[in-house]
Amino acid sequence: KAGVTQTPRYLIKTRGQQVTLSCSPISGHRSVSWYQQTPGQGLQFLFEYFSETQRNKGNFPGRFSGRQFSNSRSEMNVSTLELGDSALYLCASSLGSGNTEAFFGQGTRLTVV
Amino acid sequence: AQTVTQSQPEMSVQEAETVTLSCTYDTSESDYYLFWYKQPPSRQMILVIRQEAYKQQNATENRFSVNFQKAAKSFSLKISDSQLGDAAMYFCAYRRAGGATNKLIFGTGTLLAVQP
Repeated sequence: KAGVTQTPRYLIKTRGQQVTLSCSPISGHRSVSWYQQTPGQGLQFLFEYFSETQRNKGNFPGRFSGRQFSNSRSEMNVSTLELGDSALYLCASSLGSGNTEAFFGQGTRLTVV
Repeated sequence: AQTVTQSQPEMSVQEAETVTLSCTYDTSESDYYLFWYKQPPSRQMILVIRQEAYKQQNATENRFSVNFQKAAKSFSLKISDSQLGDAAMYFCAYRRAGGATNKLIFGTGTLLAVQP
């Protein structure tokens, strides 16, 4: 069974640009969560989608947004990039509502210059 | 709000020895899940072990076991017979139970080095 796939693996963007990251969950999984990992702030929750609906959101500015498609694939978008957005972005998929294990992808390393 | 604290930024262990990583958490909820995740240099988070708060018995997975002290809000990970492949960053994480969310709250991590 294929794991969680995140694309691209690496990205370099310029300040002010926008970026879209993609996450394909494990087949059959309906919940996708996104996390930002930085050396200074650690792992921080961005948002969670279940059946195309955002059901939880972390404390990030509105420049960070996401969506989930009917096939459960999810995208997150960051607009007007800042240097501080440089991070590893991790996606996790789960079967459904609570009490289920989260499986992580290998992440997308975003560098903003 | 729930918080997770890992007070050991780095730990080191000799191959074949035992090491214990510490984690404390704070919550007002009675039912929840606790996890230990491993993040090797490949960056992929891998679940090591999971504990349901309502279970008194400590979880074990082969060489990995936990010491779950609910009253003290402590959740330590013991790695026995350490192997070179155990070298990684280890994160303790908390998740509410029963609610409509899979949101994980992570500690700051402990970097484990295994010496040959």
